[in-house]
Amino acid sequence: NAGVMQNPRHLVRRRGQEARLRCSPMKGHSHVYWYRQLPEEGLKFMVYLQKENIIDESGMPKERFSAEFPKEGPSILRIQQVVRGDSAAYFCASAPRLGQESSYEQYFGPGTRLTVT
Amino acid sequence: TQLLEQSPQFLSIQEGENLTVYCNSSSVFSSLQWYRQEPGEGPVLLVTVVTGGEVKKLKRLTFQFGDARKDSSLHITAAQPGDTGLYLCAGGTSGTYKYIFGTGTRLKVLA
Repeated sequence: NAGVMQNPRHLVRRRGQEARLRCSPMKGHSHVYWYRQLPEEGLKFMVYLQKENIIDESGMPKERFSAEFPKEGPSILRIQQVVRGDSAAYFCASAPRLGQESSYEQYFGPGTRLTVT
Repeated sequence: TQLLEQSPQFLSIQEGENLTVYCNSSSVFSSLQWYRQEPGEGPVLLVTVVTGGEVKKLKRLTFQFGDARKDSSLHITAAQPGDTGLYLCAGGTSGTYKYIFGTGTRLKVLA
């Protein structure tokens, strides 16, 4: 059973370009989370999506950032007009359908390391 | 704003020693998870605890959730170089569908 896949693993963009990060969740998982990690720091929640729906985007900057999880295909995190401050590791995690309990297990991908030059 | 503070921030110990890492908050969480992350990789889930006072053991690792569900600890017995990594705690709150991650403890075990 393949784990969470992310590509590319490394992405270099010049200031002003667009960055597209892809995440394929584990088979059977319909929930996707995106996190950002700066060097030597913990993970910061950005957005939570289910298929075709954004459930919680409270951690995502209002401008330049967008996310989608279409019915078919991977989840995409899109950063327009990147700036040097966007340089970070971006992780996605997937989870199975949430049950009655509040806890759930999320499985992380290997991350995409974005460098803005 | 919910915050999770981890201590110590950095820890360097010799192989065979014991250690404890702490995760503290002023907020109550309905569940708490511990992860280990190695350089260049994503976090890997170690354990989930959901009941106040709960203790879980995973080989040489012992996890405890505080009675008030505001804090947690991770104890490693006889540390090995393979335990080296960034340890992250993450708290979940019922109804919000997201986990708040702690600041992390970077552990280095020297052979």
